[in-house]
Amino acid sequence: QVQLVESGGGLVKPGRSLRLSCVASGFTFSDYYMSWIRQAPGKGLEWLSYISGSGGTISYADSVKGRFTVSRDNAKNSLYLQMSSLTAADTAIYYCARDTGTNFDSWGQGTLVTVSS
Amino acid sequence: YELTQPPSVSVSPGQTARITCSGDALPDQFGYWYQVKPGQAPALVMYKDNERPSGIPERFSGSSSGTTVTLTISGVQAEDEADYYCQSADSSGTYVFGSGTKVTVL
Repeated sequence: QVQLVESGGGLVKPGRSLRLSCVASGFTFSDYYMSWIRQAPGKGLEWLSYISGSGGTISYADSVKGRFTVSRDNAKNSLYLQMSSLTAADTAIYYCARDTGTNFDSWGQGTLVTVSS
Repeated sequence: YELTQPPSVSVSPGQTARITCSGDALPDQFGYWYQVKPGQAPALVMYKDNERPSGIPERFSGSSSGTTVTLTISGVQAEDEADYYCQSADSSGTYVFGSGTKVTVL
């Protein structure tokens, strides 16, 4: 079955960087777009970024454009999110999700990122 | 572009819960629904307005009319208590989530 496991979250100081990872299994990873989605405490879901199966097509939400970079390594069945210039507003649970092109049909359990001094 | 949901819906066990999601682009875009429980991976419970993924109980159904999509849970069970989010896309194809609805089973 499809499994997505995020890692890399933790406590980070404002202005610093952090890299999240997501390891996929149970499907042909390179066949699928993948997305990052977050949920801040007490807030709703927010889509952040997607990347195509080949990595050739990438899109970002305006809220993270220029600060976050999505990438993937199909040989390792892995998705990444490099986050920089972090602020308290980036504190959230970060999910990776399999992206069908119109919706997200499988999600990981998320990794918590806390930005605080 | 926004998708508007009621903040909360309360329902007694065995009754019917209806969660609405309104957005100007919904006549042209499908709606999707996710169930989010604390500490768990979010789950897709409805796609293309009214299609149920495998493994989702039949008590979950969806409908669409004009600028509103609706998720209906018939015969609500305690395990259905969760936050529910609708999702669609704006005219540029950017994904958008609704504000979320907390379903409380009394």
